[in-house]
Amino acid sequence: GAVVSQHPSRVICKSGTSVKIECRSLDFQATTMFWYRQFPKQSLMLMATSNEGSKATYEQGVEKDKFLINHASLTLSTLTVTSAHPEDSSFYICSAAYRRGPVDTQYFGPGTRLTVL
Amino acid sequence: AQTVTQSQPEMSVQEAETVTLSCTYDTSESDYYLFWYKQPPSRQMILVIRQEAYKQQNATENRFSVNFQKAAKSFSLKISDSQLGDAAMYFCASSQDRYSGGGADGLTFGKGTHLIIQP
Repeated sequence: GAVVSQHPSRVICKSGTSVKIECRSLDFQATTMFWYRQFPKQSLMLMATSNEGSKATYEQGVEKDKFLINHASLTLSTLTVTSAHPEDSSFYICSAAYRRGPVDTQYFGPGTRLTVL
Repeated sequence: AQTVTQSQPEMSVQEAETVTLSCTYDTSESDYYLFWYKQPPSRQMILVIRQEAYKQQNATENRFSVNFQKAAKSFSLKISDSQLGDAAMYFCASSQDRYSGGGADGLTFGKGTHLIIQP
């Protein structure tokens, strides 16, 4: 149980185009989802917290107009990278909070590798 | 703000031996959660172990255990009887979420330690 999927797993796009990445909780409902960015051989950096039915909360330094997040339902959050540029190339990982017993645990998706040419 | 520091970029251990990965953190909170996550080559993040800061007892999960020193803000992971499948990047992480197990708040990660298992 507690499976999170991401689609696509890999995307290559031209500079200036927009790319949408989907994050789905497959067997549970997630009121809160998170988006992280991971540069090569580096740590995960929290980009934003996404709550169903409300606006996402962005971390300091993350451009909200560049990285649009929508949490349309309890099982789906999307990240749209608008007007992508080569510096946006990265590995994007989502996670979803799932309550099992008294605790919430973040379950991670398998990630999406974005390459902007 | 929280910070997490992992000072060992890479560690190597013989199969069946024990290895300890180090992690220090800084936080102004009195209650928080600490985690170790494993990221194998597939890049899928997997929760290894969780520690509640207000609990003095060190968490254990089978071959994985932690040494939590709250005053020193240290949180090391010990892997006993290392197996080839343990080879991965290991990330130490913290959460300010104090009420629901640490999963309801964004995590702050360290830079990771690459663990190599020698057969």
